Amino acid sequence: SQQGEEDPQALSIQEGENATMNCSYKTSINNLQWYRQNSGRGLVHLILIRSNEREKHSGRLRVTLDTSKKSSSLLITASRAADTASYFCATGDNYGQNFVFGPGTRLSVLP
Amino acid sequence: DAMVIQNPRYQVTQFGKPVTLSCSQTLNHNVMYWYQQKSSQAPKLLFHYYDKDFNNEADTPDNFQSRRPNTSFCFLDIRSPGLGDAAMYLCATSGRDRAEKLFFGSGTQLSVL
Repeated sequence: SQQGEEDPQALSIQEGENATMNCSYKTSINNLQWYRQNSGRGLVHLILIRSNEREKHSGRLRVTLDTSKKSSSLLITASRAADTASYFCATGDNYGQNFVFGPGTRLSVLP
Repeated sequence: DAMVIQNPRYQVTQFGKPVTLSCSQTLNHNVMYWYQQKSSQAPKLLFHYYDKDFNNEADTPDNFQSRRPNTSFCFLDIRSPGLGDAAMYLCATSGRDRAEKLFFGSGTQLSVL
């Protein structure tokens, strides 16, 4: 299985602090994506990083990818209470059709 | 706005009574996916269509079937729901480009009584 695995499983921080979540995977990938899910809702795409990229930024989000270690990290800077959600990494295989999700990190940002 | 729409938002069925969940998309995407997500777990891929080509995951139970009559619509049929099939069912789409992201619907929360 190429399933990503996140750690930590749960993270609780104060508003304004940075949140870092990590994802590991097992096989070669075409790309790695991060998604956010509010409770009881669908997933929303946050950012995609391709296998030949090492770092990507989008607003308060920073994603890194280390293909030699088969790992990625998502950093949310200056967190807000509205960032409270579950965050999932998903890896896309070389065919780009089979996206497999990790178990997710539940982030709680306390006001 | 282009989007992925799932109906109904909540579905209640009885043990063993067939149920169909529906998904439609206005994105004209080639690929449509069905994921099952149980509480506090990752979405688990059941199957996907690349155009009309159906791709079943090896561990998807036979109880789950899917139909895609056209580009816009995709259905998930659960032939004989068991209590363990209670979950959120998520439909997603992606385009032909291998590096494209997934667009998700809001999901259908299925309860089995």
